This record gives sequence, C-alpha cells and structure tokens, in this order.
Amino acid sequence: QVQLQESGPGLVKPSQTLSLTCTVSGDSVNSGSYYWTWIRQPAGKGLEWIGRIYTTGSTNYNPSLGGRVTISTDTSKNQFSLRLTYVTAADTAVYYCAREVCGGDCYGYYSDFWGQGTLVTVSS
Amino acid sequence: QSVLTQPPSVSAAPGQKVTISCSGSSSNIGKNHVYWYQQFPGTAPKLLIYDNNQRSSGIPDRFSGSKSDTAATLDITGLQTGDEAAYYCATWDSSLGAGVFGGGTKLTVL
Repeated sequence: QVQLQESGPGLVKPSQTLSLTCTVSGDSVNSGSYYWTWIRQPAGKGLEWIGRIYTTGSTNYNPSLGGRVTISTDTSKNQFSLRLTYVTAADTAVYYCAREVCGGDCYGYYSDFWGQGTLVTVSS
Repeated sequence: QSVLTQPPSVSAAPGQKVTISCSGSSSNIGKNHVYWYQQFPGTAPKLLIYDNNQRSSGIPDRFSGSKSDTAATLDITGLQTGDEAAYYCATWDSSLGAGVFGGGTKLTVL
C-alpha cells in the first residue's frame, strides 16, 4: 500500500518561502510511471493543483502561481518537496501531496494516493 | 475562479438520484478524460471515477460518470446520508499544461 506523509512548518511569515516535504512509502519516487504532485485547499474552498514532478525529474507547474513554485525529489530519502516563494495570506491552505497516474492513453491524470494534508498558515 | 464550473450545492432526499455537472472548454474536458473525487470534511479527497466513466476500486455502482464534448456529469443514485460530501471534477488542461479542478459541489441528503 502506497502511503504519503506531508511535513514542514505550519506557520510561515509573509514574503518568506514555504517549504514542505512529502515522504513516500510503498513506492519509489524515481521509478515507475508516476508523477508526484502537490495540491492545496484553502479553508472552506476548492482544490488547486500546484504542480508535479515525474520520475525523470521533469516538472509541470500551475501558471497561476506565477513562477513561485519549485518541486524536487530526494531519491535517497524517497521524498519530494515543494518550495513556494514570496508567500502571502492567500497561500494559507491545507497542502496535500499525492501520487498522480496517467489515465487511459494518457488523456488525463488522476491522483490515486494522497497524504492526509498539512495546514500551512501565512501570518506575521 | 475555477477553470471547471460546478454548481456550489445540490440536494436530494435519501433514495433519490442527483446529478452534478462539470463544465469546461475545448482545452480541458474537450481534450482529456474527466475524474471525480469525493471529499469528507477534514479528510483528503478520494478518487471515485477515472477516465470519464470508470469506477475506482470499491466504489459502488450507484456512482456513475459520463462526458460529452466539454461537459461531464456525475450521477449518484439511491442516495444515502453517508454520501453527504463535497464532490470535485478534475482534468488536465492542455493549454495551461496543468491540472485543473472544479470549484466543488456540496451534496446534502435531506
């Protein structure tokens, strides 16, 4: 069974960098045909796809985040990480990490395993 | 403002049927498969439907999905109080090069 667990500071000051790590068990971040993804959800609101990294190291990011996002992997620890720079109160959310799978004929992708989520608050 | 449009809420009585719509465009739903997630408060979303109409493992056949052109629907029949949750549609947007979600629909079983 694949399991994912987010970790990182729960409080970040405005204009600083949010850094989260997702530890994966039951699978490897550098093998297989999976993407490793970050998704967030502000309180009482909907889901927002942040970005992902493939096993080759290639990445895709949500353009609405204006180039503030970096996702990377640490294969020695079987982890992948999120960095979001210049945060504001609008970045306050529950952040989820997830494994993303290519759908039929790769016309789409879906997340089949999710972490439990971690709340990050941006406040001074 | 979400790229995919869903009604904020729907409601129906136990045993009845409800349909949740998801509207997109030619660059997302028009080109790619649609996925549906169910989310209970305080928990991570759970995959219900993949590739437009395929039920995920363990999902009862009361849940079904369909897609036509740039829109998709999730049907839930035989409603149960345990179905009360938020439902999200999702797909890939080929123009954005990013995943996109609907704003979510809160289902109330009266």
